[in-house]
Amino acid sequence: ELKVEQNPLFLSMQEGKNYTIYCNYSTTSDRLYWYRQDPGKSLESLFVLLSNGAVKQEGRLMASLDTKARLSTLHITAAVHDLSATYFCAVGYNTDKLIFGTGTRLQVFP
Amino acid sequence: EADIYQTPRYLVIGTGKKITLECSQTMGHDKMYWYQQDPGMELHLIHYSYGVNSTEKGDLSSESTVSRIRTEHFPLTLESARPSHTSQYLCASSESAAGELFFGEGSRLTVL
Repeated sequence: ELKVEQNPLFLSMQEGKNYTIYCNYSTTSDRLYWYRQDPGKSLESLFVLLSNGAVKQEGRLMASLDTKARLSTLHITAAVHDLSATYFCAVGYNTDKLIFGTGTRLQVFP
Repeated sequence: EADIYQTPRYLVIGTGKKITLECSQTMGHDKMYWYQQDPGMELHLIHYSYGVNSTEKGDLSSESTVSRIRTEHFPLTLESARPSHTSQYLCASSESAAGELFFGEGSRLTVL
């Protein structure tokens, strides 16, 4: 059974600081996705990682995938308040379904 | 980018009522999904469809049912709502097996 774990579950950080969110999964997969969810809103796709060693960057966020370690990271550089949200990783299985992680709730304060 | 719409956005109803949550997408995606999410928690797949007349149950058992008569439409129905059905229901679609999911705005259901 595929399990997806994120840590930390909750992250409070000061503006300007750097931090990394980790996503570990329990069985082989070559597809991993990162989503952002604002309170009361739906999910917005951030990154699609489809191969070992894939790295993608958008603004202050950078995501990477290590399929051998079954690990993805979402790195935040010089955080700003607008990044406050809940971040989910999701791992592909059975060719066309996703298992979502527990989510990491990020709060960025001045 | 997919355009996917859910109605109603918010629904408060009494126990025992029948409800249908609507989901429509305009991009011609074959694959569609329903996820259930409690506040602050992860998403759980409850139904999915590979195309017209194809529906399957997801990983989380649900008393709801779905239908897929048209490619663009994937409604979810609860015949007799109960307070335990209170949750947010998110509809999503995908254009390929390896593609990302595009989500609707969600339907937040409260059963009193």
